[in-house]
Amino acid sequence: DVKVTQSSRYLVKRTGEKVFLECVQDMDHENMFWYRQDPGLGLRLIYFSYDVKMKEKGDIPEGYSVSREKKERFSLILESASTNQTSMYLCAVGALGGYTFGSGTRLTVV
Amino acid sequence: GENVEQHPSTLSVQEGDSAVIKCTYSDSASNYFPWYKQELGKRPQLIIDIRSNVGEKKDQRIAVTLNKTAKHFSLHITETQPEDSAVYFCAASKSPDGLTFGKGTHLIIQP
Repeated sequence: DVKVTQSSRYLVKRTGEKVFLECVQDMDHENMFWYRQDPGLGLRLIYFSYDVKMKEKGDIPEGYSVSREKKERFSLILESASTNQTSMYLCAVGALGGYTFGSGTRLTVV
Repeated sequence: GENVEQHPSTLSVQEGDSAVIKCTYSDSASNYFPWYKQELGKRPQLIIDIRSNVGEKKDQRIAVTLNKTAKHFSLHITETQPEDSAVYFCAASKSPDGLTFGKGTHLIIQP
């Protein structure tokens, strides 16, 4: 099974800071995804990538960007963090037939 | 884009009874419908999935049914046990796009 590692379990950042969330996989999958999870809203897709240097907007890309310079690493970037970006961020890897999720990063913007 | 509605948001059943969670989707091109279980503080994990060319799939105590005409699918859990308590998410997708998730159902198993 693929192992999906998110570098930070908890993060606290100040409003206006640039924030990087990292996701690394160990199985050479093409597809990687970033979701945010909020109570009562489920998981919402922010961005996804099919291959190195490729990216596609999901349902809520505003305020976010991504980077995929190497196949195993997919980074989510908050260019200027705002309080409404306080959330649990989940990285997922895989294809139809099963995603594997990382443990998540709980980001608090103060 | 795809829109997935999930009901109910909370479901409480007696241990040993059955639980049913229902989802509808909007995009008739969607062809893959997984269900994820998320226990408190843990990551979502795939428990069962179904593709659009199949009407029903079963795995021990859990089953999923799909009605393509009506654009709805359901999760059925029989003989519920305490370890079934969790939040369950349905999702829909058309390859190769990402999954669109429902808002989740908090399933509570009463002893």
